[in-house]
Amino acid sequence: EAQVTQNPRYLITVTGKKLTVTCSQNMNHEYMSWYRQDPGLGLRQIYYSMNVEVTDKGDVPEGYKVSRKEKRNFPLILESPSPNQTSLYFCASSFGESAGELFFGEGSRLTVL
Amino acid sequence: DAKTTQPNSMESNEEEPVHLPCNHSTISGTDYIHWYRQLPSQGPEYVIHGLTSNVNNRMASLAIAEDRKSSTLILHRATLRDAAVYYCILRQHFGNEKLTFGTGTRLTIIP
Repeated sequence: EAQVTQNPRYLITVTGKKLTVTCSQNMNHEYMSWYRQDPGLGLRQIYYSMNVEVTDKGDVPEGYKVSRKEKRNFPLILESPSPNQTSLYFCASSFGESAGELFFGEGSRLTVL
Repeated sequence: DAKTTQPNSMESNEEEPVHLPCNHSTISGTDYIHWYRQLPSQGPEYVIHGLTSNVNNRMASLAIAEDRKSSTLILHRATLRDAAVYYCILRQHFGNEKLTFGTGTRLTIIP
């Protein structure tokens, strides 16, 4: 089954404790991206990747890092989480060419105390 | 990255057609128009996309203006399960760009 898998789905952590949200897709997609969703602000893109070892900033990259060492994985790293990073996070992937449809994960709800 | 403009909310009666508008006046010639929807407590899901011609699939129809500066997502017969937030975005042909989703249109279906 074609899918985008995010882990963890729910996490409560404390300020400053490094964490990683993993994202994996099984569709051989070139394009992967991360979004955060906050009430009233819609979906905002954090980072995106066009292919292995190619990443770029979205609209709200501050406080986040990403890496793309393998085509299927695109982890989101919060080196020193802060309460303003409490949010619902979505990973998405697609084929790069021909503006393929985006497939989204189920979301990861992160709370930073 | 080109932007889209959508109404914040719309209401429709159950079993009636729904027309969801989207303006994208700065669209470029290679931008595809994509529509996604997000049901409560779920991730967004793909609905339909097109370039110039109108498109139909099992979920909806997409009507694209001749000048491509606007489009309309058409749900032919709304059901309660269509209540969701609908997002209209633009994607470049090679799909390797920053994407802006905005806040979308919250569709309420009235039984």
